[in-house]
Amino acid sequence: GQQVQQSPSSLVLQEGENAELQCNFSSTATQLQWFYQSPGGSLVSLLSNPSGTKHTGRLTSTTVTKERRSSLHISSSQTTDSGTYLCAIGTGGADRLTFGKGTQLIIQP
Amino acid sequence: EAAVTQSPRNKVAVTGGKVTLSCNQTNNHNNMYWYRQDTGHGLRLIHYSYGAGSTEKGDIPDGYKASRPSQENFSLILELATPSQTSVYFCASGDRAAYEQYFGPGTRLTVL
Repeated sequence: GQQVQQSPSSLVLQEGENAELQCNFSSTATQLQWFYQSPGGSLVSLLSNPSGTKHTGRLTSTTVTKERRSSLHISSSQTTDSGTYLCAIGTGGADRLTFGKGTQLIIQP
Repeated sequence: EAAVTQSPRNKVAVTGGKVTLSCNQTNNHNNMYWYRQDTGHGLRLIHYSYGAGSTEKGDIPDGYKASRPSQENFSLILELATPSQTSVYFCASGDRAAYEQYFGPGTRLTVL
């Protein structure tokens, strides 16, 4: 089956530093979605980026489909960015997503 | 803003009992999903649906049934709950055109 590997598994930064999160997957993805899971557990969609580069606020995602990898860059990190970031891919008709295990991001003041 | 709600938010059940988790969405999305999240496993797909009356097995369907009586509602049913089904359950709705999914707040289920 499809596999989604995220790295690093955890990352500790000081407020103001930039964060770079990686997602590698085993199958060609027709869909790729990044999620944020708060420490309280709620899941929020950050952006959908199956190919190319996409920006929203302080977030930039770059997906290189042929190389089966995607990155999420968070600029000028804030303590409120702390949480777990999940990468999920869909293949074929993309009605189903396969999730990675996430990167836990801790931003210290 | 898209909205997916789940009830109950917390549930304690006894082994062998029946548990029904409910999900409602106001996004008018055709697709709906049930996942469970466990430490070390991440999010895993249990059942999903393409629309009212349809249910499909996901990656870990054993021990679970699903019901989609309407566009808005999708239920997950544990006929005979076991302690191994203790987990956090998330419902999501999906936009087929954009291939994006939107999640509910989760239900914490403890089976004693």
